[in-house]
Amino acid sequence: AQTVTQSQPEMSVQEAETVTLSCTYDTSESDYYLFWYKQPPSRQMILVIRQEAYKQQNATENRFSVNFQKAAKSFSLKISDSQLGDAAMYFCAYRSPPGVEKLTFGTGTRLTIIP
Amino acid sequence: DVKVTQSSRYLVKRTGEKVFLECVQDMDHENMFWYRQDPGLGLRLIYFSYDVKMKEKGDIPEGYSVSREKKERFSLILESASTNQTSMYLCASSPQGALDDEQYFGPGTRLTVT
Repeated sequence: AQTVTQSQPEMSVQEAETVTLSCTYDTSESDYYLFWYKQPPSRQMILVIRQEAYKQQNATENRFSVNFQKAAKSFSLKISDSQLGDAAMYFCAYRSPPGVEKLTFGTGTRLTIIP
Repeated sequence: DVKVTQSSRYLVKRTGEKVFLECVQDMDHENMFWYRQDPGLGLRLIYFSYDVKMKEKGDIPEGYSVSREKKERFSLILESASTNQTSMYLCASSPQGALDDEQYFGPGTRLTVT
């Protein structure tokens, strides 16, 4: 079974600085999808960024980017120019190959932004 | 905008009660999911459904059942609530076949069983 590991239960960063959240996963598949979701306090979970394993180029969405290292099975999230609104729980998730559409989530990282 | 709604934000039930958690999505998605979220454990899949009247067990189905009589509605049932089912329950939906598409989440129901 696939597993997703987030080794940082909590992180903090100064406003306007850069922070990197780590995620590793274990799979024997060659094609899959990886996601970072954000859950702000008392608000709904939303997608931050996604990456397909076959795409070598790292995904970027505005201030959010990933460092995808397929051989190392690592998928870290970098948040640049951190803002107060980035404070949230961040979950890394893995989706299995075609035909199996469920997600496997990591345990989450709580990010605090220090003004 | 995709909207996933859950019937209650907060719910308090007694041990042994039968509990229904309702989830409704308005985007005609085929897939629907129920997760429970616990500190330090992340999100764990309870049940999911690919279509009306179809259901599949997730990673932690024990003590739960589900019902999907209509495409837009997916219900989670706790047949006899126990204190270890105190948790945050999240519902999600996604379109079928779009493998890179995201799951859309509801606001969650925080269930306390006393």
